[in-house]
Amino acid sequence: SQQGEEDPQALSIQEGENATMNCSYKTSINNLQWYRQNSGRGLVHLILIRSNEREKHSGRLRVTLDTSKKSSSLLITASRAADTASYFCATDVSGSEKLVFGKGTKLTVNP
Amino acid sequence: DGGITQSPKYLFRKEGQNVTLSCEQNLNHDAMYWYRQDPGQGLRLIYYSQIVNDFQKGDIAEGYSVSREKKESFPLTVTSAQKNPTAFYLCASSTGQGLPEAFFGQGTRLTVV
Repeated sequence: SQQGEEDPQALSIQEGENATMNCSYKTSINNLQWYRQNSGRGLVHLILIRSNEREKHSGRLRVTLDTSKKSSSLLITASRAADTASYFCATDVSGSEKLVFGKGTKLTVNP
Repeated sequence: DGGITQSPKYLFRKEGQNVTLSCEQNLNHDAMYWYRQDPGQGLRLIYYSQIVNDFQKGDIAEGYSVSREKKESFPLTVTSAQKNPTAFYLCASSTGQGLPEAFFGQGTRLTVV
């Protein structure tokens, strides 16, 4: 079973626009993370938000977390063609080191 | 350079054969993970290990086996019992001590021929 579910599955935007991806999860968590994957490559960690945080920023990335709704969003501002990739949320399962990923959102940024 | 290395990048297996995928890290991480990625299904956890000589099954462990004899190494064997092994396999590691950021290898693409 997968803990996180990203929405939408695919997103296509123009360069300069903002991209918003959402993640919902099922059980209590300690942390939620977002990763990026370029086609055929390994994943790269983008940002981590702890369960007691509501919002976090890193460069053009903004992550929010709503533990009451068990959901998170990733906003990429002023998108670039180089942002084209798949984005995954990952959650740890409380009480273990198990790290569980969602199915991902495939983002295409058109020049 | 510190990092996590998977080999080989591409692997072809005949039906009925066992194959072993290598994963080595020099990050001094305690926790290591194996994931399988199929198109449209994201990453599914096969096995994970929090410490040397200990490992736990993930969500899709059937047909796979692992060992963790050294901190640096976490090889994955895809056995003949795995009926649909063609997939992209990703290995990851993390400190496993309240800092769960995972570092990934570049993956091994396994194809059954």
